[in-house]
Amino acid sequence: NAGVTQTPKFRVLKTGQSMTLLCAQDMNHEYMYWYRQDPGMGLRLIHYSVGEGTTAKGEVPDGYNVSRLKKQNFLLGLESAAPSQTSVYFCASSTLGSPIGGYTFGSGTRLTVV
Amino acid sequence: KNEVEQSPQNLTAQEGEFITINCSYSVGISALHWLQQHPGGGIVSLFMLSSGKKKHGRLIATINIQEKHSSLHITASHPRDSAVYICAVAEGGSEKLVFGKGTKLTVNP
Repeated sequence: NAGVTQTPKFRVLKTGQSMTLLCAQDMNHEYMYWYRQDPGMGLRLIHYSVGEGTTAKGEVPDGYNVSRLKKQNFLLGLESAAPSQTSVYFCASSTLGSPIGGYTFGSGTRLTVV
Repeated sequence: KNEVEQSPQNLTAQEGEFITINCSYSVGISALHWLQQHPGGGIVSLFMLSSGKKKHGRLIATINIQEKHSSLHITASHPRDSAVYICAVAEGGSEKLVFGKGTKLTVNP
């Protein structure tokens, strides 16, 4: 019963490099999200998905792309990393109508862009 | 734009004290979540509320829909309760959350 698993947990990138963050959930949740958390700010939504094969932009989508080819996986890509993308990234999943909330977060990925 | 405001930003208490953290929001919502984040750790969902009151152990969450306000209470606080507590709301009809900036709670022994 892993819940939401994020990989990697830590990464250091040089400006201009690319990388993909992987989020996997085993709860059959329809919705998946990528958030970033920066000091002094609340979590902000980057992109989200309401189901397999669908994605949508959130509050801060610029510089990121996502894909959800399988229901259980949601990938976040950085094509050309910038120092402004230094942050902690959280993946989450949820399901509609769950009486207990059904919102589950991964443990986070700490990304530093130098 | 829906704003979520939490107070206080920082809170220091002695072990055993009763703790209250407040959350106010500006638009109609379908649900409000209280989350807990330990230093360097992940985020754990504590409660989801759409009305009334919920209780889990020493934690109590209440919501007043008319006043657009929620409170998280911790009874008999303990040092292990030290964490950042985050309020988040789902606007009506949406599963997406808008987050407050969090309240950092430190409970000293």
